[in-house]
Amino acid sequence: GAGVSQTPSNKVTEKGKYVELRCDPISGHTALYWYRQSLGQGPEFLIYFQGTGAADDSGLPNDRFFAVRPEGSVSTLKIQRTERGDSAVYLCASSLRETVSSYNEQFFGPGTRLTVL
Amino acid sequence: AQKITQTQPGMFVQEKEAVTLDCTYDTSDQSYGLFWYKQPSSGEMIFLIYQGSYDEQNATEGRYSLNFQKARKSANLVISASQLGDSAMYFCAMRESDVEAGNQFYFGTGTSLTVIP
Repeated sequence: GAGVSQTPSNKVTEKGKYVELRCDPISGHTALYWYRQSLGQGPEFLIYFQGTGAADDSGLPNDRFFAVRPEGSVSTLKIQRTERGDSAVYLCASSLRETVSSYNEQFFGPGTRLTVL
Repeated sequence: AQKITQTQPGMFVQEKEAVTLDCTYDTSDQSYGLFWYKQPSSGEMIFLIYQGSYDEQNATEGRYSLNFQKARKSANLVISASQLGDSAMYFCAMRESDVEAGNQFYFGTGTSLTVIP
């Protein structure tokens, strides 16, 4: 079956513009994560969805960042008034339902490379 | 304090030799999971191995094994019989299971492994 897909693969925008990054998780995976990976760093957690709801958005850096998952499948990460510091690779991952006592492997997408000029 | 610490920015290993990549973690939870991911130059994150905090045996997956020392809070990855295709970035990650902590995954800064022919 298909893995996690992300579009676009590359996005170049100008400072101050609005961007949307899309993630299509593996079918049947109810848990979805967004991460940001800056050059030379490990992925940094942004937000976690369980179904349609954002169960944990504590990693979003500020109110310019927002994410939705209206039907519990595809998710969109939205960044308003982009800044040069937002340039990074944005990774999406999905897994089967997460519970406190269980582990489920996260499957990552190829990422979207965002460049803010 | 850093949740995950990887102190080796870069490592070199001769083909067919074994190599250990270091990882220490910081948590007050009793229940947590430790993960290793591989990220080749193409950018995708590939899951390698998982260790649960209550697992008494060290995890093994083919040529990968995790040297789990709970008291020292270390979870080193051992790759046996290195292959040229093992050259990549390697990330250690932790998921805490505390309900209030949510479902964040914490990643280290990574170790770049180069296998020398």
